[in-house]
Amino acid sequence: NAGVMQNPRHLVRRRGQEARLRCSPMKGHSHVYWYRQLPEEGLKFMVYLQKENIIDESGMPKERFSAEFPKEGPSILRIQQVVRGDSAAYFCASSPQAGAEETQYFGPGTRLLVL
Amino acid sequence: GENVEQHPSTLSVQEGDSAVIKCTYSDSASNYFPWYKQELGKRPQLIIDIRSNVGEKKDQRIAVTLNKTAKHFSLHITETQPEDSAVYFCAAIGTASKLTFGTGTRLQVTL
Repeated sequence: NAGVMQNPRHLVRRRGQEARLRCSPMKGHSHVYWYRQLPEEGLKFMVYLQKENIIDESGMPKERFSAEFPKEGPSILRIQQVVRGDSAAYFCASSPQAGAEETQYFGPGTRLLVL
Repeated sequence: GENVEQHPSTLSVQEGDSAVIKCTYSDSASNYFPWYKQELGKRPQLIIDIRSNVGEKKDQRIAVTLNKTAKHFSLHITETQPEDSAVYFCAAIGTASKLTFGTGTRLQVTL
């Protein structure tokens, strides 16, 4: 009974490159959330997706960031033309149903370092 | 949107003592309040949660209380142990499904 899976666990990119982060939710979960954690800070919501739909992207920067959750395969968070300020831990979480009372379970995170 | 404040930012207790972390929230429609423990370099792990129709919940050495009128909720850890040392985050879910986190409390349990 695997939990939320994320890969890669660590990613190093040079400024201007693209970063692609993957998240596979827990089995039976169809709701995925992405959060960003800057060093020594709390987690900030970025985007909430269901299969093939973006439900809430109010936390996503307007440029360079995009997310998808296709019918088949993992959810992907894509950061284009990375800058040093994108260096952070990116966590995804999943829940089995929608609703404000659903427990969200976190993956191990992807630690992005931009040189 | 929801805003969650958390205090204190750091907390040092001796082994065996109790630790209390307090949070306040702004959205009166919030009805789910989880607490996460995060060890260095690890994922946030759910340790306890409480829903709005309950005032208190306990799980062994951990308890959470909720005061919806005052929009306060608190985490209580009794008989602290060195392995309780970590960063603890409170969170709330309001009208949207996204978690809004507090800024975290770094708990240090000393021998």
